[in-house]
Amino acid sequence: QSVLTQPPSASGTPGQRVTISCSGSSSNIGSHALNWHQQLPGMAPKLLIYSNNQRPSGVPDRFSGSKSGTSASLAISGLQSEDEADYYCAAWDDSLNGWVFGGGTKLTVL
Amino acid sequence: EVQLVESGGGLAQPGGSLRLSCAASGFTFKSYLMHWVRQAPGKGLVWVSRISSDGSDTSYADSVKGRFTISRDNAKNTLYLQMNSLRAEDTAVYYCARGGVVPMWGQGTMVTVSS
Repeated sequence: QSVLTQPPSASGTPGQRVTISCSGSSSNIGSHALNWHQQLPGMAPKLLIYSNNQRPSGVPDRFSGSKSGTSASLAISGLQSEDEADYYCAAWDDSLNGWVFGGGTKLTVL
Repeated sequence: EVQLVESGGGLAQPGGSLRLSCAASGFTFKSYLMHWVRQAPGKGLVWVSRISSDGSDTSYADSVKGRFTISRDNAKNTLYLQMNSLRAEDTAVYYCARGGVVPMWGQGTMVTVSS
């Protein structure tokens, strides 16, 4: 049981826009920045979005993040086949004094 | 180039020990909080432990408390995870990760606990 809650799966066709939700509590998302990590099949995770809505250098602007209260979402527009991956939300948690993760959302491009 | 490179994984027997290392380069290691995160086969990411930038403060997930010890050597730009009393459920890829505003990940090292 993950501390942050994400849907286990999402899907879309090429060119579509998809969103992935992430919900938490006041001790994590409600008080701290939310990050999104992308994990391509067989690879290590990679930072996709930091500080709720910031993209690291090299991440296409098709990826965007938002946060409101104790929930956050990742939006991917102009879906491409290479976006097929697992996506994890993560935040610092004051109770754990460490990171908490969502269970991950497997994105399938149909 | 900013890089984190883990090593030390392998096969261990139940009840045994392993020591993981994570060599950091390309950034000021001593300025960053550092984490270990693991991923069991086919499962999601799970936070294991973190250590403050100067090594004075640590915290652990309940599942590893009392068995794992995180440490760092800022002179060697290296993070460690000493894993004792290993169990089958500790089998996972172990990633070191940089904390702070812009997190980053290493490539991971596989730990298998089996007789």
